[in-house]
This record gives sequence, C-alpha cells and structure tokens, in this order.
Amino acid sequence: SAVISQKPSRDICQRGTSLTIQCQVDSQVTMMFWYRQQPGQSLTLIATANQGSEATYESGFVIDKFPISRPNLTFSTLTVSNMSPEDSSIYLCSVVTVGRHEQYFGPGTRLTVT
Amino acid sequence: GEDVEQSLFLSVREGDSSVINCTYTDSSSTYLYWYKQEPGAGLQLLTYIFSNMDMKQDQRLTVLLNKKDKHLSLRIADTQTGDSAIYFCAERKNAGNMLTFGGGTRLMVKP
Repeated sequence: SAVISQKPSRDICQRGTSLTIQCQVDSQVTMMFWYRQQPGQSLTLIATANQGSEATYESGFVIDKFPISRPNLTFSTLTVSNMSPEDSSIYLCSVVTVGRHEQYFGPGTRLTVT
Repeated sequence: GEDVEQSLFLSVREGDSSVINCTYTDSSSTYLYWYKQEPGAGLQLLTYIFSNMDMKQDQRLTVLLNKKDKHLSLRIADTQTGDSAIYFCAERKNAGNMLTFGGGTRLMVKP
C-alpha cells in the first residue's frame, strides 16, 4: 500500500486568509486527487492533480479558490484561498498507485475557519 | 437521486455479524470499494471488488456484489468494538478514475 502524509494535520485559520496543504506519497503513483469532507458528510472530489499541468476541477470547484500544484509524481499541494467558515472541512489527499486499482487516502487536514 | 446510497446507521452486538448495504446506479462501474473511517481519522481501504466478481472474502470481511440489482454488501463476521466506525462504499465508473462515495453507514458495536 502507499503511505501518504499530509501537513498540517489540522489548523485554525481566520476568515480571508489562505492555507496550503501538502501531500507526500512514499511511492510513485499514477493519479493524485484532493477531496473535501464537510462536517458529518461524505467525500466530494475537488480536483485531480495533474503532474506538470493544470489540475482538473469538478463542478462547483474553481482554480482561483483551490489552486493545486503537482510538481512531481509523489507530491502535491492544495491551497484553500480567501477562506470563509463554509470552508471548514477535512481535506484529504488520495492516490492510485502504478499498475494497481487500490485508491488510498491520506490522514486528512482538519481545517477550521473562524 | 444519489449515485450511491447507504443506510445511515447500524447497531449490532459484539460477536454478531454486521451487514452493511450499498446500492449504486451506474451499471458501467468497474470497481467497488469499502472504506472505514474512525473518528478523527482518514479513510482506510478495507477491500474492493471488480465488477465481474460476485464475492470476495478477506479474513472477517466478505463482499457480495449483485450486479443485476446494483447492490453491494459488506459482511463483518464476529464484529468487535474496534469495528465501530463509519463505513463508506464507493464506485469507480468505467470512464476516468473518479470515485463516487455513498453517504456512509455508522456502525455501532455494543459490548
């Protein structure tokens, strides 16, 4: 299985600021994704992080609000910009490993916006 | 309606079997997954099944897939208090690699 780490594990941020979340995987992966889990809810896909090119965003998510980078096969960042209390969620990085069908999730970053 | 549906809650006694059910709507789904989420934690991949299979067993876990009815279930044998968590099913459609999740089933195991 892939070991995924995320930093920070949690943060409390003020309205209007931005937070960048890092995701590091211990092996080369084919696909990297960012999901959001709002309090008491299921998971919603924000975007697919593409290496060396712009991320592919799902309906309802835009690059200006959630810029994503993926400079190499094992690392990605998600920025939550101009935060509001509605952005309070758990943000999870997820990967699909090379040649496999399993999809693994990181431990998540618990964000609270005040 | 939702693509993937699950009942919200299941309560069982320790030692009993638990059966968590899931229905999905897309007949082109290729893989179906079960994840476990404990409080304050990320998602742990429990098992997955390819759509051309009807059963998969892994220790205490048994996955049954009825493709005709688009019904997936997860059976946990000899349920323990440590199995208390939220269980999510998810489907991967034929096109792309996106997972669509159900709303999750909260399993409570009573001693």
